[in-house]
Amino acid sequence: AQTVTQSQPEMSVQEAETVTLSCTYDTSESNYYLFWYKQPPSRQMILVIRQEAYKQQNATENRFSVNFQKAAKSFSLKISDSQLGDTAMYFCAFMKRDPQGAQKLVFGQGTRLTINP
Amino acid sequence: DGGITQSPKYLFRKEGQNVTLSCEQNLNHDAMYWYRQDPGQGLRLIYYSQIVNDFQKGDIAEGYSVSREKKESFPLTVTSAQKNPTAFYLCASSILPAGAYEQYFGPGTRLTVT
Repeated sequence: AQTVTQSQPEMSVQEAETVTLSCTYDTSESNYYLFWYKQPPSRQMILVIRQEAYKQQNATENRFSVNFQKAAKSFSLKISDSQLGDTAMYFCAFMKRDPQGAQKLVFGQGTRLTINP
Repeated sequence: DGGITQSPKYLFRKEGQNVTLSCEQNLNHDAMYWYRQDPGQGLRLIYYSQIVNDFQKGDIAEGYSVSREKKESFPLTVTSAQKNPTAFYLCASSILPAGAYEQYFGPGTRLTVT
């Protein structure tokens, strides 16, 4: 069964610092998608970044970038120049395909990130 | 504005009562999903639907039921058989194939059963 593990329940950094959130996953598939979602205090889930496993190049979205290590099954998120608005729960998610061919997201337990002024 | 609507934001029910959570989307998405979120845990899939009049159980479907009579709507009923129904419920939708496109989430419904 596919699983997603986020080993850091909580993290805290100062504004403008760089922070890296860890995520590992387990799968036997060779082609899949990985996601980082952000859930601020409003509890609205927002997509931060997406990575396709067949692409070797790491995805980047402005201050957010990933370090995708396919062989190690690792998918970390780096936030550069952190801002107060980055304070949120961050979830790593893996898109898996079930025997019927449907694609479903499997989420990690989340990392609570606090950016301090 | 296109998006996903969940109502109500907060819902209170007595134990033993069935309750239905609403989810409507105007994004013209084919697939819709229901997730449950508990404190300290990630989201867990309850049910999903890829086309009208068809849906499949997710990882924690026991005590829940759904219907998909319209493309835009995917209501979730929490039945009295659900042993621990108090949680935050999130509805999502996506274009198919799901992996190539992100899932868009609604604002959620907080259900409290006493």
